[in-house]
Amino acid sequence: LAKTTQPISMDSYEGQEVNITCSHNNIATNDYITWYQQFPSQGPRFIIQGYKTKVTNEVASLFIPADRKSSTLSLPRVSLSDTAVYYCLVGDENTGGFKTIFGAGTRLFVKA
Amino acid sequence: DSGVTQTPKHLITATGQRVTLRCSPRSGDLSVYWYQQSLDQGLQFLIQYYNGEERAKGNILERFSAQQFPDLHSELNLSSLELGDSALYFCASSHGTSGGGVNEQFFGPGTRLTVL
Repeated sequence: LAKTTQPISMDSYEGQEVNITCSHNNIATNDYITWYQQFPSQGPRFIIQGYKTKVTNEVASLFIPADRKSSTLSLPRVSLSDTAVYYCLVGDENTGGFKTIFGAGTRLFVKA
Repeated sequence: DSGVTQTPKHLITATGQRVTLRCSPRSGDLSVYWYQQSLDQGLQFLIQYYNGEERAKGNILERFSAQQFPDLHSELNLSSLELGDSALYFCASSHGTSGGGVNEQFFGPGTRLTVL
């Protein structure tokens, strides 16, 4: 199973762009990279998923370099409501025995 | 609202007891996942069921068991409860099929278990 490493916490200010990087050096060929967001006492919520290069949706962008050993979640112009824990996951559910590993996540604190 | 329902919302019980947590997945979702989250801890994957069959197992204790019924709802049974079992227990569901990667999981509101 690919292990991920993320910063434990990050601080930002409203209106700024926030980039959270996740390292996954032993990512497998079939693995995708997925990010979730979790607010206190709530279940995580899917943000974005990608395999390579760049993926963008209405909430965030995901940048994946050619070697795929890391990925960066980019949140444009954060607001106070973006204060949450962000989890990076790596895996492929179509591979037998896949187990969802959320890890410790990155605690983002957005200040006014 | 994710469409996943969990009952009860809160549960307070004593050590040594047994409890059952219930989860109803989103309509059409075939996979159900169970997670445990202790205070200030990350999510610990417990077990996954797909269409009634166990598909993947995490660090689930032998005192814990789960099943998925023909109507696709799932139950997580926790027995011989210990103080350390106090946590938020989340259920998630997904469609269960994907062209690759990880199926997007939709999480329920969780059941907060307190063992006294």
